Amino acid sequence: DTAVSQTPKYLVTQMGNDKSIKCEQNLGHDTMYWYKQDSKKFLKIMFSYNNKELIINETVPNRFSPKSPDKAHLNLHINSLELGDSAVYFCASSPGTFYNYGYTFGSGTRLTVV
Amino acid sequence: GENVEQHPSTLSVQEGDSAVIKCTYSDSASNYFPWYKQELGKRPQLIIDIRSNVGEKKDQRIAVTLNKTAKHFSLHITETQPEDSAVYFCASWMDSSYKLIFGSGTRLLVRP
Repeated sequence: DTAVSQTPKYLVTQMGNDKSIKCEQNLGHDTMYWYKQDSKKFLKIMFSYNNKELIINETVPNRFSPKSPDKAHLNLHINSLELGDSAVYFCASSPGTFYNYGYTFGSGTRLTVV
Repeated sequence: GENVEQHPSTLSVQEGDSAVIKCTYSDSASNYFPWYKQELGKRPQLIIDIRSNVGEKKDQRIAVTLNKTAKHFSLHITETQPEDSAVYFCASWMDSSYKLIFGSGTRLLVRP
């Protein structure tokens, strides 16, 4: 009954591969996010979807493509993985876009590119 | 764009002492300021938040203060315990931006 669940928890892959991370929330929230946490712990937003609609697309390489099949799911697909993509990727959700009540984060996916 | 500065980057205190973490935001339209605690290998979790119409909020040993004029907000932890050791993040939100902007984090170590 985890509120925001991500899979996989760990992902080790070679440079050049394509991989996906999945996120699901059962909180009934309208808005979902992807954040990247680098080795220095800095949390940087990548994307945000509200009710399946993309509303934030930060300056992220277009090798990263989010997909939201419905408002409870937000997946992240990464093409042609590079060493610099190694990080922890957190999915998060919030009730809505226009008034924030704080995020609920998933447990994170530690991506290691070798 | 919106920016959040957080200090200090690391903080070591003796158990029982108080800890204070400070943040400064850049956009005066920011109106919501949450604090997150991230234990090693875990997800960030919301511990307290404050909105721009309030100057202070307390929840047991933690409190947050907001100075809108100076665009500063701070987290205060009293009677620190070893389990308070974690990385703490401040963040700010503007309704027009649709996103939380996080500070760079403070690694708090509480020495027994």
